[in-house]
This record gives sequence, C-alpha cells and structure tokens, in this order.
Amino acid sequence: AQSVTQLDSHVSVSEGTPVLLRCNYSSSYSPSLFWYVQHPNKGLQLLLKYTSAATLVKGINGFEAEFKKSETSFHLTKPSAHMSDAAEYFCVVSPLNAGGTSYGKLTFGQGTILTVHP
Amino acid sequence: NAGVMQNPRHLVRRRGQEARLRCSPMKGHSHVYWYRQLPEEGLKFMVYLQKENIIDESGMPKERFSAEFPKEGPSILRIQQVVRGDSAAYFCASSPGLFGGYTFGSGTRLTVV
Repeated sequence: AQSVTQLDSHVSVSEGTPVLLRCNYSSSYSPSLFWYVQHPNKGLQLLLKYTSAATLVKGINGFEAEFKKSETSFHLTKPSAHMSDAAEYFCVVSPLNAGGTSYGKLTFGQGTILTVHP
Repeated sequence: NAGVMQNPRHLVRRRGQEARLRCSPMKGHSHVYWYRQLPEEGLKFMVYLQKENIIDESGMPKERFSAEFPKEGPSILRIQQVVRGDSAAYFCASSPGLFGGYTFGSGTRLTVV
C-alpha cells in the first residue's frame, strides 16, 4: 500500500522569497515520486520526478526536490518565488518495479495551494 | 505530438442522463489511466486500461461507471444515470507502459444539474 501526506493545505509567500512545500510518503515498495502543478481550471503539468537515481531532483521553472529515505520525505523547494508560481501543487507516489521504472496507479496527496504576494 | 487529448472540456448533464468522456492517449502510449478530482480534493485513481483490457478497476464505483479502451479509437469513461455527486473533473493520463512518464490531459469538467 502507498500513501502521500502533504503537510500544508495552504502556503503563502512573498514574491522573491523561498518556497517550501512539504510531502511525506509511505510505500510498501521502492517508490517513484513526482510533483505536479495545476493552475486554475487547467490540467496537470509535471514539475519533476524521482525514480531511484540522484536523490536531488531538478525540475522545470527552478523547482527542485530532495528524496530523503530516512525521513520518508520529498519536499519541493524553489529559491525565489514568482507570481506565476501561484497554483496548486500535488505530491504523487507510484511503486517502482524491479527494473527501476514506475508503473501502475498513482496516489495523489491532497494538494497544497501556493499563494504568492507582490 | 498533440499530447493527451480529452473531450469535451466541459460537459453538462441533467440527472439521469448518460455522460461519455473521451481520452486519446499520446502517440505511442498504450496505457491509459482515469482519475477523478472532486471539489477541494486531490485526484483519485479510478481505472487503468491497456488496449482492449482492464488492468485495474479498483477505484471505479461499483455501479453506473464503466471504462473501455478499444483496439481502435479513444478510451471512453461512461457514467450512466448521472447524479449530482458525479460532478467533478475527470482526468486521463497515458504512459508508454513500463517506462513511467505519465502525461495528463487537460481534463473534462462534468456538471450535473
């Protein structure tokens, strides 16, 4: 079984300040982890993914996340927030197969709404 | 590459009608997943299909909901006799199989009036 907990339902930051969105996971198998972003009334866009390679993963738009197995965490960070980052962010887990690729259904966290103030 | 195409983008149905949601996966992708997003909630897995096969339907409601992915044409999520509680955004994702790389469509927003 697998589950994802996003620790904050809302995060508010000022433009130009760092962003931290927290995610903890639970998985019976070696997990593959993703962060997706959803802008209002839009689809989901993949920000980054971890699939058992480097533990620090760099994604699009300056975002990155670090996989910490000992803490079962996969927090998303960005050094400097931009107004266009305002959106809802989802942490997602999927089990890895023996070959190290992800398969099967995704389990989504509840989402974190990021607000960026001028 | 047009990505994952879902249509219609918005669908309004009266209670008791049928809703048909279509999903065309990315070219070369043979695995399709359907997810439902209720208001103020994250996405919940519904069903995983490959061509002509349902692999995992553990997230599908037991009644009124069905899904198919025929040999030719798009995947269809069908909801019979819709009720107000079916109002949600329905997202489709596709992948090339065992290589991950899930790509999501823009979703179909179903409103039941």
